[in-house]
Amino acid sequence: GAVVSQHPSWVICKSGTSVKIECRSLDFQATTMFWYRQFPKQSLMLMATSNEGSKATYEQGVEKDKFLINHASLTLSTLTVTSAHPEDSSFYICSVLGSTDTQYFGPGTRLTVL
Amino acid sequence: GQQLNQSPQSMFIQEGEDVSMNCTSSSIFNTWLWYKQDPGEGPVLLIALYKAGELTSNGRLTAQFGITRKDSFLNISASIPSDVGIYFCAGQLGNEKLTFGTGTRLTIIP
Repeated sequence: GAVVSQHPSWVICKSGTSVKIECRSLDFQATTMFWYRQFPKQSLMLMATSNEGSKATYEQGVEKDKFLINHASLTLSTLTVTSAHPEDSSFYICSVLGSTDTQYFGPGTRLTVL
Repeated sequence: GQQLNQSPQSMFIQEGEDVSMNCTSSSIFNTWLWYKQDPGEGPVLLIALYKAGELTSNGRLTAQFGITRKDSFLNISASIPSDVGIYFCAGQLGNEKLTFGTGTRLTIIP
């Protein structure tokens, strides 16, 4: 499988500020990464598919101008939550598409917007 | 987005008991995956199934890919305290995005 890290593991910010979350594939060159959001006691919901060197593909209902995704290298994808508001508070998890088309997940980032 | 129906929603069992949970879909998948998520962590892959009818084990865990390609089940034998967590099934068609189940929360009563 692939080993995936996320940074930071948790972040608290004021309403209106922007927050950047990093997802790194530590031992695998990942052409494709995914970003999910998980609200308390709910399942994971896919936000977007991140492809190295090209624009991300967003799921229906996810604002691409609010959730900026950059996948500039085969080991790093970033998600920036712009002008964050309390309703954006959630657990954000990335995954890497491995060699057998299996997804391996990062440890998640807990975002709290005050 | 679409979610798979997973049952039961939650389970309360005693240590040593066996556990069984399943996942059903209205559409077919080529791959079924089972993940476990601990509080505040990302999901960890437990078992991957790639062929209809396939039965695969990983230690005390056994999972099967349904013949119809629309369902899968996961069994845990002789549960231990570290089995506590939320179990998610996920279906995949080709290398497309995953569709997750609603989750089964497992609690072990001391």
